Amino acid sequence: ETGVTQSPTHLIKTRGQQVTLRCSSQSGHNTVSWYQQALGQGPQFIFQYYREEENGRGNFPPRFSGLQFPNYSSELNVNALELDDSALYLCASSQGLAGLSYEQYFGPGTRLTVT
Amino acid sequence: SQQGEEDPQALSIQEGENATMNCSYKTSINNLQWYRQNSGRGLVHLILIRSNEREKHSGRLRVTLDTSKKSSSLLITASRAADTASYFCASESGAGSYQLTFGKGTKLSVIP
Repeated sequence: ETGVTQSPTHLIKTRGQQVTLRCSSQSGHNTVSWYQQALGQGPQFIFQYYREEENGRGNFPPRFSGLQFPNYSSELNVNALELDDSALYLCASSQGLAGLSYEQYFGPGTRLTVT
Repeated sequence: SQQGEEDPQALSIQEGENATMNCSYKTSINNLQWYRQNSGRGLVHLILIRSNEREKHSGRLRVTLDTSKKSSSLLITASRAADTASYFCASESGAGSYQLTFGKGTKLSVIP
């Protein structure tokens, strides 16, 4: 158990719909990252938030957006869902300190299926 | 895009044997991390090795890093059936951003 929780566990949506996934960071962590993991692949970085500001973004279109709240919990929003968005979505929290990096603690993931 | 490549893609061994997995990456890194994933669920952090370190141990795990060859290896000694999982290396590079770039993973099966 890492202390990082995600909701919901599973979700089924229809193409064109919008979805919001939620993540609660481990206590004391101010950085949250979101990853998409397609079946049989490694996770791919979507974006990262540090103290409520975006701190890096991967190669994902603008319909993937996020928020980090003052309590460091986070949301991932995906608009206009496509079939290829079907994947396991993972959030990870860590301590972000300038010039030094720490291990990231992952939640159990949300399995999104787009039909 | 995925920076790293794990080798082999799949590995099957008997309980008690050692398992070695290799990882290569493409750009300069701040650190390299190894994670385990069971059955498509969340990733569990195993070990972090910084770019100025060459070897690190944690219990039955031994990780090496060769920055000149842009490669790392994970050794699991005296494997157990519970070690059956997918193992990923993830590199962290770039200043100020702690994003990880993962490889495709090695699927390890430990046969009792």
